[in-house]
Amino acid sequence: GAVVSQHPSWVICKSGTSVKIECRSLDFQATTMFWYRQFPKQSLMLMATSNEGSKATYEQGVEKDKFLINHASLTLSTLTVTSAHPEDSSFYICSAERDTYEQYFGPGTRLTVT
Amino acid sequence: AQKITQTQPGMFVQEKEAVTLDCTYDTSDPSYGLFWYKQPSSGEMIFLIYQGSYDQQNATEGRYSLNFQKARKSANLVISASQLGDSAMYFCAMRASRGFGNEKLTFGTGTRLTIIP
Repeated sequence: GAVVSQHPSWVICKSGTSVKIECRSLDFQATTMFWYRQFPKQSLMLMATSNEGSKATYEQGVEKDKFLINHASLTLSTLTVTSAHPEDSSFYICSAERDTYEQYFGPGTRLTVT
Repeated sequence: AQKITQTQPGMFVQEKEAVTLDCTYDTSDPSYGLFWYKQPSSGEMIFLIYQGSYDQQNATEGRYSLNFQKARKSANLVISASQLGDSAMYFCAMRASRGFGNEKLTFGTGTRLTIIP
């Protein structure tokens, strides 16, 4: 099966610092990866679509300068939360697209900003 | 624009009974796909079942089946013989199928299913 990993699985950081989250497709190449954010007891909200070798496409209302996305290879996309604040605390999930309709999700990263 | 509606925020079901989770959708795309995901307390999103808009038959995967009624724009998930391990959050989602990928998923608000022993 298709496996997607995320690292770290959880992270605690101080307000004002930056945090990088990695999303890797372990056994397939993914030209497209998606980054979602999920607040407690809420649904997944798409933040951005990441294509290998090009700039990410951000959803309306998502600050591109705050949430930096880099899709450097066909198996790795990174999300960097810059100058994190407590309101950025959330569960961040990535998914990698394998075929024209299948997306495989990573296990998620829980970010807590103190 | 696409929209997914899940009207059941929570459900309690006796173990071994069948359960139906409701999902209605709205889209202007002629071709689309419908998905159901399970999210246990660990947070991972587990793919359960997929239905293409042009599929003639309802999708089935083990104990999961999708009751697809295109005219009503509904895609209900049916879980037969529920188990304690089925307790989780369930999300219905859809995406357009324009043939070249890169299409985002739109999620519903989810239904929290609790199986009672």
